[in-house]
Amino acid sequence: GNSVTQMEGPVTLSEEAFLTINCTYTATGYPSLFWYVQYPGEGLQLLLKATKADDKGSNKGFEATYRKETTSFHLEKGSVQVSDSAVYFCALSEGFGNNRLAFGKGNQVVVIP
Amino acid sequence: DGGITQSPKYLFRKEGQNVTLSCEQNLNHDAMYWYRQDPGQGLRLIYYSQIVNDFQKGDIAEGYSVSREKKESFPLTVTSAQKNPTAFYLCASSPKHTAGSTDTQYFGPGTRLTVL
Repeated sequence: GNSVTQMEGPVTLSEEAFLTINCTYTATGYPSLFWYVQYPGEGLQLLLKATKADDKGSNKGFEATYRKETTSFHLEKGSVQVSDSAVYFCALSEGFGNNRLAFGKGNQVVVIP
Repeated sequence: DGGITQSPKYLFRKEGQNVTLSCEQNLNHDAMYWYRQDPGQGLRLIYYSQIVNDFQKGDIAEGYSVSREKKESFPLTVTSAQKNPTAFYLCASSPKHTAGSTDTQYFGPGTRLTVL
């Protein structure tokens, strides 16, 4: 079945550092890919998405490119701020007539001033 | 303002009691979803509904029940049959899915259920 794998463990980095969170997927067909962000005690917010191969999603300085050849959708930001501290989830939609999402386990990002 | 509301934010129940979590949306979305989130894990789908009066089991439906009598409401009941109900529960909704398109899911703020 469809699945999403995110790199293990929390990510701790200093303010203005470069952030990368890896995401790879397994899917049949042509899924759409998403990054969601969750701040402490809150629900998930859509950060960005890409619906087909080679598409780049971007928002608030974050970017991710849909790479079909490597089945990846890595999240990047060039200069993080303390306010970017949150949990980040990669997800894919199953398509084929429904909107079910498969989520990765999430990565806690902590940005230190 | 349009959005998804979940109430209450925190809920405590004694073991063996059923409890119902509320989810309401005023976005006029057709589809609604319930997820469960546990520490260190991603979200797991409990139930979803793509249209009023219809719903399907997700990956972890055992011990849960839902209803979809109105478009804007999708309550989740956690029954006494659910072996480990303490978790953070998230409701989401999305517009009607059409062939060839993928619609974003929008999430509520969540309800943290603790069973004592």
